[in-house]
Amino acid sequence: DAGVIQSPRHEVTEMGQEVTLRCKPISGHNSLFWYRQTMMRGLELLIYFNNNVPIDDSGMPEDRFSAKMPNASFSTLKIQPSEPRDSAVYFCASSTGHHNQPQHFGDGTRLSIL
Amino acid sequence: EDQVTQSPEALRLQEGESSSLNCSYTVSGLRGLFWYRQDPGKGPEFLFTLYSAGEEKEKERLKATLTKKESFLHITAPKPEDSATYLCAVSGGSNYKLTFGKGTLLTVNP
Repeated sequence: DAGVIQSPRHEVTEMGQEVTLRCKPISGHNSLFWYRQTMMRGLELLIYFNNNVPIDDSGMPEDRFSAKMPNASFSTLKIQPSEPRDSAVYFCASSTGHHNQPQHFGDGTRLSIL
Repeated sequence: EDQVTQSPEALRLQEGESSSLNCSYTVSGLRGLFWYRQDPGKGPEFLFTLYSAGEEKEKERLKATLTKKESFLHITAPKPEDSATYLCAVSGGSNYKLTFGKGTLLTVNP
C-alpha cells in the first residue's frame, strides 16, 4: 500500500523565493496534518485539515505560510516569501480522523533557505 | 495545554543490554498515547497506540506500557538495527491533534 507521498524531498532556494511543498495522503484518510521539525523545537503542528477543510491553523507561524487542500488526495504548503529561519524538515501526515487513530507520516521535505 | 516530556534525551546501549525509555505526559482526557520510531532522513513510523492505564503492547523486542501519568518503552536485548529516535505523542480532548515529545535518541552498539 502506498503511504503518504511528499515532494520534493529536498529543496534549496534563496531567501525571498516562493516555496511550495506537496503532499498526497493515504487513500481513504480524511484528516491531513502539516508539521515542521527542527532540532530546537521538535515536531510542531502547523495546520490540520478534516475532509479538506482547515480546522486549526493556529500553528502556522505567520502570514507568509499558507496551506490548501483542494481535494482529498492533494495538499500544498506554501511559503512566500521564504526566510532562512524557515529552514527545517516539513512533514505531512494523514489519518482516518478519529481521535485515537495514529497519524501516518511521509518522509518529509528538507527545506534550506539560503 | 497538553505536554509530553521524554527522557533520557539520548541513550547508548550495548547489544543485548535491555533498558527503558520514559514518556511523561499531561493531557485533558487522554484519547491515545502513541509511540513512533524515526530513522535519519525518514518520517516517524508508527509503532503502538495505548488507550488506557494498565494497557501493554508488544512488537518484537519492544514493549510499551501505560500509567495515568507516563508510558514506558521497554527494549529487550536490543540489536544495532533498533538504533533510532523514539517519539512519544498524546491525543486528548475533542480534537485530532497530536502533541509530541522531543524524543529519545537510542544508539545500540554491536
